Amino acid sequence: GAVVSQHPSWVICKSGTSVKIECRSLDFQATTMFWYRQFPKQSLMLMATSNEGSKATYEQGVEKDKFLINHASLTLSTLTVTSAHPEDSSFYICSARALAEYNEQFFGPGTRLTVL
Amino acid sequence: SQQGEEDPQALSIQEGENATMNCSYKTSINNLQWYRQNSGRGLVHLILIRSNEREKHSGRLRVTLDTSKKSSSLLITASRAADTASYFCATDLMGGGGNKLTFGTGTQLKVEL
Repeated sequence: GAVVSQHPSWVICKSGTSVKIECRSLDFQATTMFWYRQFPKQSLMLMATSNEGSKATYEQGVEKDKFLINHASLTLSTLTVTSAHPEDSSFYICSARALAEYNEQFFGPGTRLTVL
Repeated sequence: SQQGEEDPQALSIQEGENATMNCSYKTSINNLQWYRQNSGRGLVHLILIRSNEREKHSGRLRVTLDTSKKSSSLLITASRAADTASYFCATDLMGGGGNKLTFGTGTQLKVEL
């Protein structure tokens, strides 16, 4: 089956630093990847849609200069949280959509970010 | 917003019993999907039901969709302790342009031995 990985699984950083999270589709090519944020005991909120080779589309209220998304290849998208603050602490989940499977998104295991 | 509402928010049942979760949404959809999430983990896709379908089965899972009421239900039969997780519905909106999923608020299911 289609596998999506994320790295790192969890990260603790100091306030003001930047953190990069990687999302990889391991056995398929993903033209589109999605980034979600999930606060404890809450649902997933879509942050942005990332298409390979083009700029990401951000959802309303998500700061594009704070959450930098790069989708340079068909198997890798990165989310960089710049100048992280404690309120950015959350569970970040990516998903990838395969070329041939338009309806289904395959989700990564998530990255737990804690900003001190 | 389109975000689906799920009820109940939390459900605790005994092993062997059936669990039913409901999801309501607001606008027309292409399809509706159900996902499962174990605590602190990623999502697992359970089942997809298209807007022209009314019922779908997968193992112990049964999903119904009523587009006139803009609602869906997920039934887990003969529940097991391993079914303990959060369950989310997600809608793929008609005209959404790019298969964006909007997740519901989720139901936390606890199956006790």
